Amino acid sequence: GQNIDQPTEMTATEGAIVQINCTYQTSGFNGLFWYQQHAGEAPTFLSYNVLDGLEEKGRFSSFLSRSKGYSYLLLKELQMKDSASYLCAVRDGDSSYKLIFGSGTRLLVRP
Amino acid sequence: NAGVTQTPKFRVLKTGQSMTLQCAQDMNHEYMYWYRQDPGMGLRLIHYSVGEGTTAKGEVPDGYNVSRLKKQNFLLGLESAAPSQTSVYFCASRLVRGGRANTQYFGPGTRLTVL
Repeated sequence: GQNIDQPTEMTATEGAIVQINCTYQTSGFNGLFWYQQHAGEAPTFLSYNVLDGLEEKGRFSSFLSRSKGYSYLLLKELQMKDSASYLCAVRDGDSSYKLIFGSGTRLLVRP
Repeated sequence: NAGVTQTPKFRVLKTGQSMTLQCAQDMNHEYMYWYRQDPGMGLRLIHYSVGEGTTAKGEVPDGYNVSRLKKQNFLLGLESAAPSQTSVYFCASRLVRGGRANTQYFGPGTRLTVL
């Protein structure tokens, strides 16, 4: 079956670093996405990984290991505005049209 | 460039009523999607379309119908609403070409309550 696991909630302190993990088991793989979703708003694109390794974009980085079915999103220099849900999604290799989403990780940044 | 827009933003229905959720995109994207989002369950795909005049079932299609008569519009219909369809509905669209263009762009959502 298709399964994507993320922690439900995490808490971190302003200015710190936090790592949000995502593990997946899917019938195929054609890329992994991270989205940010503030409460009451739409998801917005953060990062895309299709090859193993680290992709860095400002304060946010995303890592992928295809052999381990594992990804993480790293947020540095946390700001209060980073309080949001972070969604991991895998493009199913059997159908490149579709994304399979995890349940999301709600991150609370405290002062 | 408005991106993806959805109407209405909020709606309350009684059990058995019907309604249509509207989605429009002005980015000339080929693919369009309808998702529902429930607490603790993430985004689940209801129906999707890979081009004008085509639709396909997603993960949770029962109780919903869709139409894509024009490339820029994707409609989601509830023929006889049930309380289990209380949810937040998101429409999304995506370019066909690969690479970073593969990302889906989401509309602001429609919050539907069925009493």
